[in-house]
Amino acid sequence: SQQGEEDPQALSIQEGENATMNCSYKTSINNLQWYRQNSGRGLVHLILIRSNEREKHSGRLRVTLDTSKKSSSLLITASRAADTASYFCATDARLSASYGKLTFGQGTILTVHP
Amino acid sequence: EAGVTQSPTHLIKTRGQQATLRCSPISGHTSVYWYQQALGLGLQFLLWYDEGEERNRGNFPPRFSGRQFPNYSSELNVNALELEDSALYLCASSLGADTFGSGTRLTVV
Repeated sequence: SQQGEEDPQALSIQEGENATMNCSYKTSINNLQWYRQNSGRGLVHLILIRSNEREKHSGRLRVTLDTSKKSSSLLITASRAADTASYFCATDARLSASYGKLTFGQGTILTVHP
Repeated sequence: EAGVTQSPTHLIKTRGQQATLRCSPISGHTSVYWYQQALGLGLQFLLWYDEGEERNRGNFPPRFSGRQFPNYSSELNVNALELEDSALYLCASSLGADTFGSGTRLTVV
């Protein structure tokens, strides 16, 4: 089963607005990553946050991690039409059976209207 | 530095046939990870190879197999193809940063 669950499944906003996507997971993790995927193509790595970090910034991206709630959020500020894509969270779990494996959420489809 | 490369980009096969997908990791990386992205099922971990050996395997039947060559490139083989094997197959050479390939879209008809 998927460890990560993302919310919302789809988000539609106007250019310039902020977009917030949430991810929840079930087990203890080493780190959590966010990826973007355009039109069913390859994954583009956005940001990695380690389990001992609470917040991380990269350009217009802000990621938070709450390990007590097993949740993370991705905020894209001042969105652009080019941000239209699917966004996935992925966790690297602290389980021997999960060694070497990322578990992805189902993703949020973001549409930014010009 | 070249990124992760996958071939072919698209592959169309008939049910029951075998498919072979290829992945070359970033130079210097010894691991290859395979993922399947089927419609409605999200991204599922398939296989992890490191230093020529299978290190971990996802919840897939044995007809999904692969190998890693001495140059660290990898093949994913899918035998006895079923319609539900139609998916985008992605490989990666590390678990962080820009290390995913563009994928092979396999269509089984």
